[in-house]
Amino acid sequence: DQQVKQNSPSLSVQEGRISILNCDYTNSMFDYFLWYKKYPAEGPTFLISISSIKDKNEDGRFTVFLNKSAKHLSLHIVPSQPGDSAVYFCAATVGGGGSNYKLTFGKGTLLTVNP
Amino acid sequence: ETGVTQSPTHLIKTRGQQVTLRCSSQSGHNTVSWYQQALGQGPQFIFQYYREEENGRGNFPPRFSGLQFPNYSSELNVNALELDDSALYLCASSSRAEGEKLFFGSGTQLSVL
Repeated sequence: DQQVKQNSPSLSVQEGRISILNCDYTNSMFDYFLWYKKYPAEGPTFLISISSIKDKNEDGRFTVFLNKSAKHLSLHIVPSQPGDSAVYFCAATVGGGGSNYKLTFGKGTLLTVNP
Repeated sequence: ETGVTQSPTHLIKTRGQQVTLRCSSQSGHNTVSWYQQALGQGPQFIFQYYREEENGRGNFPPRFSGLQFPNYSSELNVNALELDDSALYLCASSSRAEGEKLFFGSGTQLSVL
């Protein structure tokens, strides 16, 4: 039973355009959501996160939107750059800042930004 | 600041053997988590260690075990290897100051033949 779902295995966009990566979750206990980016032969690196008390968080070119009623979040990258080409993982956790850092990941979306 | 380092980077074992994977945490981090990433899947939580004790475990059998040392480095041990254990094993460190963010190493690619 997949609690975090990324239904698009891949996405291709042109440089300068917007990339939108989507993620759905089923566990209503999740209250903290993160996006990680992974290049080949490297570990995932943290990109941006959002708490369930917010519906939007922005960091430079990256914005994450959270729709709790729909149990849906999305990552927007504007403008997209070729260096953004990577696998993007959506992850969720029951947070609270305690010592439990178990993240539940989706399967990832391969983003390709074409020059 | 030293990041998370894992060794070895690649490993080939045969079914039934035992394997030990190693991880050095990022400086200042006292929590270590291990994840298994099978081909085409997202990372899956194996277990977490905090102050040298197991502090949370995912849906993995007891033949997956671990240790955390006083310097916060860690080992993942897998006994009686099965073909399905072939995967990328990722170590991640964290601290309360970082909240829920995990800092991952590059992983150990394990192939079981």
